Amino acid sequence: DTGVSQDPRHKITKRGQNVTFRCDPISEHNRLYWYRQTLGQGPEFLTYFQNEAQLEKSRLLSDRFSAERPKGSFSTLEIQRTEQGDSAMYLCASSEGPLEQYFGPGTRLTVT
Amino acid sequence: EDKVVQSPLSLVVHEGDTVTLNCSYEVTNFRSLLWYKQEKKAPTFLFMLTSSGIEKKSGRLSSILDKKELFSILNITATQTGDSAVYLCGRTPPAKIIFGKGTRLHILP
Repeated sequence: DTGVSQDPRHKITKRGQNVTFRCDPISEHNRLYWYRQTLGQGPEFLTYFQNEAQLEKSRLLSDRFSAERPKGSFSTLEIQRTEQGDSAMYLCASSEGPLEQYFGPGTRLTVT
Repeated sequence: EDKVVQSPLSLVVHEGDTVTLNCSYEVTNFRSLLWYKQEKKAPTFLFMLTSSGIEKKSGRLSSILDKKELFSILNITATQTGDSAVYLCGRTPPAKIIFGKGTRLHILP
């Protein structure tokens, strides 16, 4: 399967713990995006990379959130000191330049 | 933040019916309009529209964009139970997608 992959698919953590998610984009895609989706809402943009450069961050991305794409391939999204409001589906997508974005299966985070 | 508004938010029809889903957007910086289908997992890509008035088709699905009136429609003809899903509309400024809340479509057998 050469689509976007994400790991883990599900994560349950206790409030205050740190979590890290990984995304592997489609190999020839130079852009990688992170979105967050809660029940009944469309995905909300968090941040995106072109190659290894982080070009835009949403105001939703508080200082507890950090994302990296060190070699322009896979990316990680870390949430520090998780809160219950962080519970959501975290989606990763990739694209070849400004073309259509393809989404991974998502990581469902539950903060207890 | 620029809005994308989808209507209706929910729709129930019988198998075989034709449905039209609506998407309107505000624009300060527009590049494209995208449609995705989301079942119980990640959104899957349907269409990307950049030019006004040119219909895109894929099987029973079609979509068109009106950049003057700032809206797009997604048509599904001869609906099947497998079309039941949330249909997301989103627009891009240069990079990120700004999504609407989606239309939840349920097809009754």
